[in-house]
Amino acid sequence: ETGVTQTPRHLVMGMTNKKSLKCEQHLGHNAMYWYKQSAKKPLELMFVYSLEERVENNSVPSRFSPECPNSSHLFLHLHTLQPEDSALYLCASSQDGGSNQPQHFGDGTRLSIL
Amino acid sequence: AQTVTQSQPEMSVQEAETVTLSCTYDTSESDYYLFWYKQPPSRQMILVIRQEAYKQQNATENRFSVNFQKAAKSFSLKISDSQLGDAAMYFCALADYGGSQGNLIFGKGTKLSVKP
Repeated sequence: ETGVTQTPRHLVMGMTNKKSLKCEQHLGHNAMYWYKQSAKKPLELMFVYSLEERVENNSVPSRFSPECPNSSHLFLHLHTLQPEDSALYLCASSQDGGSNQPQHFGDGTRLSIL
Repeated sequence: AQTVTQSQPEMSVQEAETVTLSCTYDTSESDYYLFWYKQPPSRQMILVIRQEAYKQQNATENRFSVNFQKAAKSFSLKISDSQLGDAAMYFCALADYGGSQGNLIFGKGTKLSVKP
């Protein structure tokens, strides 16, 4: 299995729907991250969890709600999204939250909001 | 504020040739880390190479090497003997030592094409 697995790979939803993105890491890491990748823009860090505690929230709208039930799993719950939220959502993990640690990424979920 | 700039949106190289991707950054920190990530069409971001700012020696990983110029705040990636599998988006990223956990600042990326 790959180190970081994200499901679903593609997701199309209406603005009134509620859906969740799932991320699972098999690397024994203690830190996990959600990023948003939009066309022609740098990756934007959304959330950071270290040892299942949220340590960073970069002013993300409340329509995005993360959940980290254990160190191997990370969810991103979505509700009432806007068209500008269409993007590739990448999950990553690292050994710990230290800035020298390389992050291992999943393949991402391509999200399209109708 | 920390910034990372990749001034080449697209680059092209002939197979087996050498190509250099540019990256400049700005930070007020003296200790930090720099990374190059590769994102092929499969979308998975893969770490290519990492450089600690306190090390003067340029990092190398097989065909990949960097030219780290701390005073100029420049961190270019050189790919030697380019292969078709090197075609991808390449992102330069900066993390400051002891900074906010996971606070990687990415550039906008450079799309590299490899011609057979």
